[in-house]
This record gives sequence, structure tokens and C-alpha cells, in this order.
Amino acid sequence: DIQMTQSPSSLSASVGDRVTLTCRASQSINIYFNWYQQKPGKAPNLLIHGASNLHSGVPSRFSGSGFGTNFTLTINSLQPEDFATYYCQQSYRVPFTFGPGTKVHIK
Amino acid sequence: EVQLLESGGGLVQPGGSLRLSCAASGFSFSDYAMSWVRQAPGKGLEWVSGFSGSGATIYADSVKGRFTISRDNSKNTLYLQMDSLSADDTAVYYCAKALSVLTVPFDYWGQGTLVSVSS
Repeated sequence: DIQMTQSPSSLSASVGDRVTLTCRASQSINIYFNWYQQKPGKAPNLLIHGASNLHSGVPSRFSGSGFGTNFTLTINSLQPEDFATYYCQQSYRVPFTFGPGTKVHIK
Repeated sequence: EVQLLESGGGLVQPGGSLRLSCAASGFSFSDYAMSWVRQAPGKGLEWVSGFSGSGATIYADSVKGRFTISRDNSKNTLYLQMDSLSADDTAVYYCAKALSVLTVPFDYWGQGTLVSVSS
């Protein structure tokens, strides 16, 4: 199975900050890579697919990049509604594994 | 508006069975791949099972041989038959719609249904 690791596991940030989350795959997955946001008690929401494609309706302050094994999610000017847990996922090979998540806290 | 509504969760004893359903509406159900994703209490996301782009059924190793995914396109409903359940299967189970004919990513999710396996 392809293992996904995320760093950091949690971070504290303030409204208006620029934050960068990283995800690494245990083998090359080209751009078959996605980011989701999940708030407590809610289902996840798709943010980015294909490593850098912003999903419909997602604010432009979110952006994704990467190829192969290393990927990043950047949130420019963090907003109060962005405090959540972010999961990465590879869509290269079955099973479609997720990372363990990065929880973004309010500082 | 796309809606996915799961049902069928509950408390079951170890070794027991449960059948989850996911009623879909607001899109052409037969045109999209669908999956089940679970989340154990306080834990991360785990893809469980889905339909590939070709319509084949695919499973995580952790459930292979015990879970069976199926769909009834005439009823716009996705199912997950879960047999030989253990405590490790305790989780919220989400039904998820694929963005396209490919299995992933998932652009819509249901609200989830809780499965608790305990004696």
C-alpha cells in the first residue's frame, strides 16, 4: 500500500496568517493527489484534486502544488472558518489511502 | 442539489452483520463511481470500498472477504453488506460520490452513519 504522511500533525495560527501543510507519499503518485478539509462532526469537503486543481466553490486562498512524492497545501490569509483538520489522499492506486491529517488550531 | 443519505448503522455484536444503504439524489447516479469511507472515533479517514471506473468492485485489504459493495441504479442506492464484524470496524461510515467516472476523488459525502461493534 502507498503510505501517506503529513506534517505537521497540528499547528497553531492566527487569522490572516499564511500556512503551508505538507504531505508525502511513500512512492511516486504523479499528480494523483487530493486535499480535503474536515470540521468536527462533519463530513470531509474536497478542496484540491489532481494536486493543484481547485475544486468548484472552494475559495481562491487555497492552493495546492506538488508532483511525485511531495505535495503542499497553502492557505493564504487564514480565515476563521479555515480552522479544521486537513487530510491528503492518493488516488494513484488501490487502496486509496489518506494521510493522518493536520489539525489547524486558532492561536 | 446532490444529496447522499446513509442509513442502516447501529450497534451489533462481534461476528454479526449489518447492511448500510446510501440513497442518492440530485445527479445521474449510474454515471458516477461511488465509495464507502469510514472514520473510527477520533481517528482519520480510511477508504473501505468502491466501484472502479470500469464498474468493478474494489476493497481495502482490511475488509476484503467480509464486506460487499453493491449498487442498484434503478433505486439510486449504494449498499455495503458488512459481515464478520469486529470492534475494529467501529466507525462512522460515509458514502461518497466520485468527481467523475474514476473512483476518486470524492466531491460529495453523506452525513455518515455510525456502526458500533460491541458485546
